[in-house]
Amino acid sequence: RKEVEQDPGPFNVPEGATVAFNCTYSNSASQSFFWYRQDCRKEPKLLMSVYSSGNEDGRFTAQLNRASQYISLLIRDSKLSDSATYLCVVNEMGNTPLVFGKGTRLSVIA
Amino acid sequence: GAGVSQSPRYKVAKRGQDVALRCDPISGHVSLFWYQQALGQGPEFLTYFQNEAQLDKSGLPSDRFFAERPEGSVSTLKIQRTQQEDSAVYLCASSLEGGRLVGVAQETQYFGPGTRLLVL
Repeated sequence: RKEVEQDPGPFNVPEGATVAFNCTYSNSASQSFFWYRQDCRKEPKLLMSVYSSGNEDGRFTAQLNRASQYISLLIRDSKLSDSATYLCVVNEMGNTPLVFGKGTRLSVIA
Repeated sequence: GAGVSQSPRYKVAKRGQDVALRCDPISGHVSLFWYQQALGQGPEFLTYFQNEAQLDKSGLPSDRFFAERPEGSVSTLKIQRTQQEDSAVYLCASSLEGGRLVGVAQETQYFGPGTRLLVL
């Protein structure tokens, strides 16, 4: 069983839709949580960190439930430019290797 | 400023050939990580350096894989006697600080564009 599990993709949604991605992690020692975005044939880039209190960045909202070891990402008002693979990422403590999920591919269609 | 750079961007190797992949981290970054990303998968950790010291190589899949960072800046990942299952994108990431202090927020890791390796 992988340490980080994500929704299988792909998600194909129309422009303007709201889409939610879910992720679970198995290592209860995990302390830091992130969503990365990876465009086709590009490197992963940090989208946002995820905090216990939940956090929002424009159209993007991330939630963390430590008790359930569950992370989510909500994208509102999807844009064509949101099409990418979204990677759920955890790590144990400061400056240790990141543990990635398999990623979920999102295609936003006009 | 300049980000993490990697070379070559693409490498085609015949099975059994040795390859060397280079990573230039962001200037002044203490930590350097190598990850392997197979097609349709997320990146998986290979090895980690703090300056010139290789602190963790638990992710290296076999003894054919070797990494070094002799002067604490540029790093090279070498794969000997390449096999078809080595075909993947090899990503390098660097971060500013070192150390593994409990409770310290994760330092952002900045990724290079990767080297896409195809072993025929």
